[in-house]
Amino acid sequence: DSGVTQTPKHLITATGQRVTLRCSPRSGDLSVYWYQQSLDQGLQFLIHYYNGEERAKGNILERFSAQQFPDLHSELNLSSLELGDSALYFCASSVGRTSGRHLYNEQFFGPGTRLTVL
Amino acid sequence: AQTVTQSQPEMSVQEAETVTLSCTYDTSESDYYLFWYKQPPSRQMILVIRQEAYKQQNATENRFSVNFQKAAKSFSLKISDSQLGDAAMYFCAYRSAPGGKLIFGQGTELSVKP
Repeated sequence: DSGVTQTPKHLITATGQRVTLRCSPRSGDLSVYWYQQSLDQGLQFLIHYYNGEERAKGNILERFSAQQFPDLHSELNLSSLELGDSALYFCASSVGRTSGRHLYNEQFFGPGTRLTVL
Repeated sequence: AQTVTQSQPEMSVQEAETVTLSCTYDTSESDYYLFWYKQPPSRQMILVIRQEAYKQQNATENRFSVNFQKAAKSFSLKISDSQLGDAAMYFCAYRSAPGGKLIFGQGTELSVKP
């Protein structure tokens, strides 16, 4: 158990709908990362938040958005869903601060949310 | 931009034998981290081993070790005394220092034969 929780585990919805995926980082971790794993694209970075602020964006569609709340949990919102959005969505967390030789940057992954768009 | 390449989509090993998974990467940075993650059928991403680019010594974790060749931009994973529980998808990943996103390779599916 990595200490990172994600809900729900599975989500089945229809095209055009909107869903929200939730992530709770490990206690004390300030950084949250979202990744998408699909058969055709592999594992791709979507977005990174640090202590409530967006730090970096990857290949995230405009239909997707995320935020990190004051209690440090994060939500990934996916709207106007398409069949191609079906994937496994991972959240990862890390302490996020640097010390010495960047000792505290290991990312711990949650169990993922399996999204199926029908 | 950095890229990570795993040229072996599938590998197979006999139980108790040794297997090596290959990974190459491309970067212009001098300071970075490399990782191997394991993804069993449960789909959980599990960190297997980590290598810091500034360290010349190869990382080891029990039966897992790496061969890090910085000049060649190569980072292979050696699994010794393979066990049935080692069967999984293995991903090589790159991350710039000090933090930020992980860039993953395409993965190598390892099967272990009893």
